[in-house]
Amino acid sequence: GENVGLHLPTLSVQEGDNSIINCAYSNSASDYFIWYKQESGKGPQFIIDIRSNMDKRQGQRVTVLLNKTVKHLSLQIAATQPGDSAVYFCAEYNNNDMRFGAGTRLTVKP
Amino acid sequence: EPEVTQTPSHQVTQMGQEVILRCVPISNHLYFYWYRQILGQKVEFLVSFYNNEISEKSEIFDDQFSVERPDGSNFTLKIRSTKLEDSAMYFCASSLLGRWNTGELFFGEGSRLTVL
Repeated sequence: GENVGLHLPTLSVQEGDNSIINCAYSNSASDYFIWYKQESGKGPQFIIDIRSNMDKRQGQRVTVLLNKTVKHLSLQIAATQPGDSAVYFCAEYNNNDMRFGAGTRLTVKP
Repeated sequence: EPEVTQTPSHQVTQMGQEVILRCVPISNHLYFYWYRQILGQKVEFLVSFYNNEISEKSEIFDDQFSVERPDGSNFTLKIRSTKLEDSAMYFCASSLLGRWNTGELFFGEGSRLTVL
């Protein structure tokens, strides 16, 4: 099933290190992907997107990599900061709606 | 900076009662959405709305749910007869263009619904 229950995968990194968050998407026909950041008690916030005709896209301190062969998406955060602590969701577009992945909790240790 | 606003931030209701969650999307946006997030789980799509009609809905969005844009600013989600399993955080989102142009959705802070 799609739900992973109450326990999200967790990634803990030291402040200043790089973080890599991974996501496996479900539909090979999905052609547009977004990474969202969700801080505690808040709604999802757009970070970066990528279309299926690309395999890499860079933003400020963030890079998204797309591997369509294995249906895998990753988010790389450079020089992770305490403010990056949040749950990160990947989302895939399939026809007219967007589906979120299960999420990964990133904890940044000072 | 423009933002999506939602009210109430938290509502507690008895099972079987009707609930209306309200959202004010960003003013020049044309596409509106409701998502929900059960505690500790991922965000789930409920419905998308464009040009005063539903454009897409998920299997979660059954006959107990309805959406409305009663005026030029509000976008509401109604649950007719709440069930315990409707307890969740409900997020409203809006976007300027449809997903074929830009998929960036702007989310509100959410409305937490607790059904007792």
